[in-house]
Amino acid sequence: GQQVMQIPQYQHVQEGEDFTTYCNSSTTLSNIQWYKQRPGGHPVFLIQLVKSGEVKKQKRLTFQFGEAKKNSSLHITATQTTDVGTYFCAGTKYSGYSTLTFGKGTMLLVSP
Amino acid sequence: SAVISQKPSRDICQRGTSLTIQCQVDSQVTMMFWYRQQPGQSLTLIATANQGSEATYESGFVIDKFPISRPNLTFSTLTVSNMSPEDSSIYLCSVAADEQYFGPGTRLTVT
Repeated sequence: GQQVMQIPQYQHVQEGEDFTTYCNSSTTLSNIQWYKQRPGGHPVFLIQLVKSGEVKKQKRLTFQFGEAKKNSSLHITATQTTDVGTYFCAGTKYSGYSTLTFGKGTMLLVSP
Repeated sequence: SAVISQKPSRDICQRGTSLTIQCQVDSQVTMMFWYRQQPGQSLTLIATANQGSEATYESGFVIDKFPISRPNLTFSTLTVSNMSPEDSSIYLCSVAADEQYFGPGTRLTVT
């Protein structure tokens, strides 16, 4: 079955440092989504990437989808304490409504 | 957008009993999903709740253990049957609208 791997599992940075999490799928994806889950909270949708090589930015967050549509990354520039949480990628194999396969997530801790 | 509420928010149950979790959405949605998230882990899809037909279960999950109802386009229930401590987890309802939304979750502890 489809597998989505995500690294690192955990990262602790000082406020102001950059952070990147990487996601790799065992199969070609139709699209990839990113979620953020704060401690004690539920996953919140951040973005969806659909096109090969797509890059999207949300303020300090940059999302990339690989040319082969099998990998993706989320980069945060100059982290802030509000960035603390677990970041999950989730891929779908087919277009349209399709079930999501989640990566294991990267837990980000930011020290002031 | 979609706003999802779940009941109960948490419960402590005894081994061998069953718990029904309710999920209510503030708008009509075609696709509703039930996920499980064990402590510190990722999300695993249990099933897709289909309106007017049986739910579609993922590998490793069966209807006898996790019966699901979907009586209309805004509501679904998930029952965790004959519970064991291994069922202790957070159960999340999710819908696909303009994007994917998750409910606040039901934290279940089985003793």
